[in-house]
Amino acid sequence: DAGVIQSPRHEVTEMGQEVTLRCKPISGHNSLFWYRQTMMRGLELLIYFNNNVPIDDSGMPEDRFSAKMPNASFSTLKIQPSEPRDSAVYFCASSHGQSNQPQHFGDGTRLSIL
Amino acid sequence: GEDVEQSLFLSVREGDSSVINCTYTDSSSTYLYWYKQEPGAGLQLLTYIFSNMDMKQDQRLTVLLNKKDKHLSLRIADTQTGDSAIYFCAPHNDYKLSFGAGTTVTVRA
Repeated sequence: DAGVIQSPRHEVTEMGQEVTLRCKPISGHNSLFWYRQTMMRGLELLIYFNNNVPIDDSGMPEDRFSAKMPNASFSTLKIQPSEPRDSAVYFCASSHGQSNQPQHFGDGTRLSIL
Repeated sequence: GEDVEQSLFLSVREGDSSVINCTYTDSSSTYLYWYKQEPGAGLQLLTYIFSNMDMKQDQRLTVLLNKKDKHLSLRIADTQTGDSAIYFCAPHNDYKLSFGAGTTVTVRA
C-alpha cells in the first residue's frame, strides 16, 4: 500500500520566494497533520485537518504560513514570503477514523531558504 | 502542554539489548507510541501501548508502561546495526502527539 506521499523531497530557494509543499495522505485516512522538525525545536505540530476542515492551526508560526486541504487526497502548505528561519524538514502525516488512531508519516520535505 | 523527556544518546553493542526510557507529564494520554526515524526519512511507527496495559511484546520489541510514575520504556532485544536511528516516545491524547527530543541509538560492532 502506498504511504503518505510528499513532494518535493528537497527544496532550495531564496528568501522572499513563495514555497509550496504538497502531501497526499493514505487513501481512506480522514485526518491530516503538518509538522515541522528542526534541531532547536524538535517536532512541532503546525496544523491538523479532519475531513478536510482545519481543526487546530494554533501551531502555524505566523501569517506567512497557510495550509489548505481542497479534497480528501491532497493538501498544501504554503510559505509566502519565505525566510531563512523557515529552513526545516516538513512532515505530513495522516490517520484513519477516530482521533487516537496512529499517525503515519511521509518522508518529509527538506526545505532550505537561502 | 505535554512534556516528554528522553535521554539524548544511547550506544549499544550489536547483539545486546537496548533500553530507551521516556517520562511524560500528561496522565490522560490514552495511547503511547514509539516511532523510529532513520537518517533522511520520516517517522516509522514501531509499536504502541494502551494506557491500561503494563507491558506489550512485539517480536524483538518490549514496551513497559508505569502509569503511576508516567514512565515508558522500549526494549530492543538482540540489537542489530539496522536499529541505529532516532527513537521518539509519543504520548497521544485526543488527536495530539507530543514528541520529546528523541534518543539517538548507535549500534557498534
